[in-house]
Amino acid sequence: AQSVTQLDSQVPVFEEAPVELRCNYSSSVSVYLFWYVQYPNQGLQLLLKYLSGSTLVESINGFEAEFNKSQTSFHLRKPSVHISDTAEYFCAVIFTGGGNKLTFGTGTQLKVEL
Amino acid sequence: NAGVTQTPKFHILKTGQSMTLQCAQDMNHGYLSWYRQDPGMGLRRIHYSVAAGITDKGEVPDGYNVSRSNTEDFPLRLESAAPSQTSVYFCASSTDRSSYEQYFGPGTRLTVT
Repeated sequence: AQSVTQLDSQVPVFEEAPVELRCNYSSSVSVYLFWYVQYPNQGLQLLLKYLSGSTLVESINGFEAEFNKSQTSFHLRKPSVHISDTAEYFCAVIFTGGGNKLTFGTGTQLKVEL
Repeated sequence: NAGVTQTPKFHILKTGQSMTLQCAQDMNHGYLSWYRQDPGMGLRRIHYSVAAGITDKGEVPDGYNVSRSNTEDFPLRLESAAPSQTSVYFCASSTDRSSYEQYFGPGTRLTVT
């Protein structure tokens, strides 16, 4: 079965510390991978995506994610977080052959503390 | 461009009442979807539309109806609301079925008592 797993529902971290939010998927077909961010009381915004090419993708605000096909993972990392990064982060996958249907993980709440 | 807009932002409904959640996009996108977001479950697609006049069911369509009379609007109707439909609802658009980037509206928080 095709699924997306975010094992960590909450990740507390101090400001300026590094963080990694984990995302794994289960699939026998090719995938397209996304991270969305949801700030409090707002809609989802696309943070970064992997469609093809370089397995390391970066966002404009310092996040990066690496597609690891052998591990079926797409973990999100940032070397130094800021208080403004506090938000919920969703990993999402499009399994090829399914049109552009997004399958979402359950989300990880990142809380950055001073 | 306003992007994807949704109204209302919040609403409280009583069990059995009906309601329409509005979604509009001004980006000339063909592909529109409705999702619901529930704690610990991520987002699940309710219905979607690939073009005006064409709609299809998503993962969790029961209790919801949609219509698509033009490119811009994609209303979601709850005919007889139930407490299980308490959720945050998001509309999302993309250029077409083969586009992998979706743009989300700000959401409607619906409570059914």
